[in-house]
This record gives sequence, structure tokens and C-alpha cells, in this order.
Amino acid sequence: DSGVTQTPKHLITATGQRVTLRCSPRSGDLSVYWYQQSLDQGLQFLIHYYNGEERAKGNILERFSAQQFPDLHSELNLSSLELGDSALYFCASSVATGGGEKLFFGSGTQLSVL
Amino acid sequence: GQNIDQPTEMTATEGAIVQINCTYQTSGFNGLFWYQQHAGEAPTFLSYNVLDGLEEKGRFSSFLSRSKGYSYLLLKELQMKDSASYLCANDYKLSFGAGTTVTVRA
Repeated sequence: DSGVTQTPKHLITATGQRVTLRCSPRSGDLSVYWYQQSLDQGLQFLIHYYNGEERAKGNILERFSAQQFPDLHSELNLSSLELGDSALYFCASSVATGGGEKLFFGSGTQLSVL
Repeated sequence: GQNIDQPTEMTATEGAIVQINCTYQTSGFNGLFWYQQHAGEAPTFLSYNVLDGLEEKGRFSSFLSRSKGYSYLLLKELQMKDSASYLCANDYKLSFGAGTTVTVRA
């Protein structure tokens, strides 16, 4: 158990809908990262928050947004869902944001868009 | 971008040694991670190299050459439980490779 909690574990929804994925980092970790993993794309970095502020953006679509709350939990909002958004979404946390910070991953949310 | 290249698949026999190579763009480099990911599970940290050379950690070792933009992960005395995907990741912009699926056969 990494100490990172993601909910829900599975989510099935329809095209055009909006969903929210939730992540609670390890106790004491200030950084939260979101990744998307699909079979043909590998692990794609979406966005990084540190202590409530956005620090880096990766390949995140405009239909997707995220935030980190004062209690350090984070939410990833996916809207106008398309079939291609079906993937495993991982949240990871680390203590800080300096180089060499190893990431602790949650067990992921499997999103299926039908 | 931060193109990271690693082989898609490798197969080896139990007890053998396997070397997984990873190349990355040297522009913008902070350090290199290796993660292990079993099917359907979350990635877990294996190693981090920031200086050139070999770092050994039990049966697993990781090597880095910054000038060549090259790293490898060496798995020794392979066990069945080592069957997994191994992800190379550049600390700069947190880029992961697509992963190398290692299958260990009896």
C-alpha cells in the first residue's frame, strides 16, 4: 500500500458526460501528479500541483481540469467525455517538488467511456 | 519533447539476467527513474540515477550515462515475480517511456 488513495476504482459512463476523480496523497506529501495510462500510449503526464498551486502541465486536454485543495487532496475533472478518454488514471504524490522526488502511485481509477 | 525509447518486450528464463535499455533526449535532464509495474497495478519505484555510473540494489542495478543519454536496468537471478512492465522516466518534465514488458519463463 503506497498510502495514496484514489476513488473510485472503476467508473463507467457515457460519451459527453463529466466525471470527477479524487486523490488523497500520502500524509505529509505536498505534491500531487496526475497521469493517464492507455494501452497504446503508455504513462502520460497530465498535471502537477504543489501545495495547492499548479506547477507543471503535460499533455492535458482543455476538456480536463484539476485542482488541489487546502487539505492537499486533488480532483481531476474530465468533461465532454469521448471514447478515447477510456484509460487508467493514476494519481501520485511526493514530499516536495525538487529533483529526484520519487513518486508514490495510487491504485488508479479505471475509466470506461461507452 | 522528452522522447524516451525503450524496447517493447523482452523474454528471459528464470535465473537468467536481463538488461533493459533506455535512451532519452539529453536537453533538459534532472535524473532518471526506473519503476516497476505489474499488470493492473500501480507503478512502484525501483531506482533513481542522477550521476554517471552503476547503482546496485540487490538483484536490480541501474546504470546511467548522461553524455550518451542512456540508461539501463539490469535484473539478475530472474524470478517469476519479476514478470512486469519496467518504466524508464526522465525526472525533467516527469516523462515516462512506454515501458518494457518482461516475461520470465520457467
